[in-house]
Parts: sequence; C-alpha cells; structure tokens
Amino acid sequence: GDSVTQMEGPVTLSEEAFLTINCTYTATGYPSLFWYVQYPGEGLQLLLKATKADDKGSNKGFEATYRKETTSFHLEKGSVQVSDSAVYFCALSRGQAGTALIFGKGTTLSVSS
Amino acid sequence: DTAVSQTPKYLVTQMGNDKSIKCEQNLGHDTMYWYKQDSKKFLKIMFSYNNKELIINETVPNRFSPKSPDKAHLNLHINSLELGDSAVYFCASSQGSENYGYTFGSGTRLTVV
Repeated sequence: GDSVTQMEGPVTLSEEAFLTINCTYTATGYPSLFWYVQYPGEGLQLLLKATKADDKGSNKGFEATYRKETTSFHLEKGSVQVSDSAVYFCALSRGQAGTALIFGKGTTLSVSS
Repeated sequence: DTAVSQTPKYLVTQMGNDKSIKCEQNLGHDTMYWYKQDSKKFLKIMFSYNNKELIINETVPNRFSPKSPDKAHLNLHINSLELGDSAVYFCASSQGSENYGYTFGSGTRLTVV
C-alpha cells in the first residue's frame, strides 16, 4: 500500500543552520505531497504542498520539490530559527474518493540559540 | 474565529467510562476526519465523513463511533474506555479532495486512568 517514510529524529540544530528533512514515498499513480508542521500543544498546520512532479512548494522560507524519479519530497530551509522548533510531517494524498492523507511518522526539530 | 474547534481540549477519565469529543468547523468544508496520534506522534486515520455520509471507516474497535449530525459537525463517542485509548485525537476538515490539504483542530488529549 501507499506509505511515507521520513528520517528519524530528533534533529538538533543551532540557529541559522541549514535544515534538510528527508521524505520518500511509495504510491501508485501521481499523489499530491504535503508538509505539515505541529508546534507544541497545537494541531497540524499545512506548511507547503506540491501536486505534480517537479513542482516546488514554498512557505515561510521552507521549500520542497516533488521528485518523481526519486519518489522524494525533502524539506529544506536555509537558515532555521528557534521558532521553527516543532514536529514536521510529510504526507501524501491519492486524491481519490474515500481516501485520506497518509502521514509519515514525523520528525522532531529542535533549534537552539 | 476558530476554523476547526474541538472540545474538550483535555479529558481525563477512568477505565470503563463512556466519553464524547465534539468537533465543529466553520469553513464550509464538506469532509471531516478523525485522526488518532499516539505517544510517538504517529497519526492514523480513523473515520471520515463527507456531507454526513461515512466514507472511511478504518480498523478501529467498535467501541469508537462517529456521529455527524450535519456537515459542520463530527463527534466521536467512545464506549468502555481502555488504557490503550489514551492519545491525542485530532479532528480535521477539507473541501472535496484532500489534495487541497486539511485544516486541523488543536486536538483533544485523552488520558484513561
């Protein structure tokens, strides 16, 4: 079945460091891909998305490119801030009736000043 | 102003009790979901309703029963609570295909003692 695999955390970085969180997927067809972020004690918020191959999603300095050839959707940010500390989830959608978003296991990011 | 609101935010109860969690969305979305997040942050779909019709019913104990009185509300009732039911339960909504992403509530932390 369809699935999403994320790198295990936690990821610990200093402020202004470069961030990469790896995400790969297994799916039939052409899924849409998402990154969600969960701050402590809150629900998930959509961070960015891409709906077709080679699309780049971006938001708040974060970017991810839909790579069909490597079935990947890695999240990157050039310079992280303490406020970026959160859990990041990669997810895919098959876009079919009766299906729901499939999430990866989440990667905890901790940024120190 | 809250787009997807869940009540209560915290719920502590004894084993064997019956409890309900309520969810309401004011976004005009036609599809609502319940997800369970375990202690390791893993998110698993439980149920989904589209215009009050159950469209996803994953393998969960039949002690869990969703109810959707209208398309803006999706409640979760749990009978005979067990220790293993302790988790954070998230409600979410979307318009049409999940390709547009979900809007999540802030979660209900259920603790069974």
